[in-house]
Amino acid sequence: GQNIDQPTEMTATEGAIVQINCTYQTSGFNGLFWYQQHAGEAPTFLSYNVLDGLEEKGRFSSFLSRSKGYSYLLLKELQMKDSASYLCAVRGGATNKLIFGTGTLLAVQP
Amino acid sequence: DAMVIQNPRYQVTQFGKPVTLSCSQTLNHNVMYWYQQKSSQAPKLLFHYYDKDFNNEADTPDNFQSRRPNTSFCFLDIRSPGLGDAAMYLCATSRAGANTGELFFGEGSRLTVL
Repeated sequence: GQNIDQPTEMTATEGAIVQINCTYQTSGFNGLFWYQQHAGEAPTFLSYNVLDGLEEKGRFSSFLSRSKGYSYLLLKELQMKDSASYLCAVRGGATNKLIFGTGTLLAVQP
Repeated sequence: DAMVIQNPRYQVTQFGKPVTLSCSQTLNHNVMYWYQQKSSQAPKLLFHYYDKDFNNEADTPDNFQSRRPNTSFCFLDIRSPGLGDAAMYLCATSRAGANTGELFFGEGSRLTVL
């Protein structure tokens, strides 16, 4: 089966940098996604990694190590609007479906 | 412009009274998904369509059914909602064979069961 672990909650300060970690176990790995979800809203796509290394997109970067089953999402220059839940999701398994972690609730404080 | 549209955004029903949630998409994606998300939990895949092929998750209760009459529309039917079915229901689409297989989500339908 597939299993995804990420911290439940994190707090950071406006303007700072925060790293949200995700570890996973799956067979037939076929990509790792990060989604942002504000309270009461649908998830929105942030990033995708399928090869090892860092993908940078503006203030957000995502890193993947397939051998370690590990990813992180790095948020720079934090803004209050970045307060949201960040979902790590892995595509894989026998059916190649996308499975989500429970999300990390990030609170950005002034 | 919204690309995946879910209706209604909010649905209140009584215990045991059937409910239908709808999803439409303008992306012409061939894969459509229904996820259930309860408060502070991960979205849980209920089933998905690959074109007309229906794929049910093993642990999806029989109470949940789905229909996809054409490429653009997909429906989630909850035949006899229980209190435990109160959740946000998310519809998503993707294009099979796309580089990332990214899912595009609708805004969700929040179901309350009284």
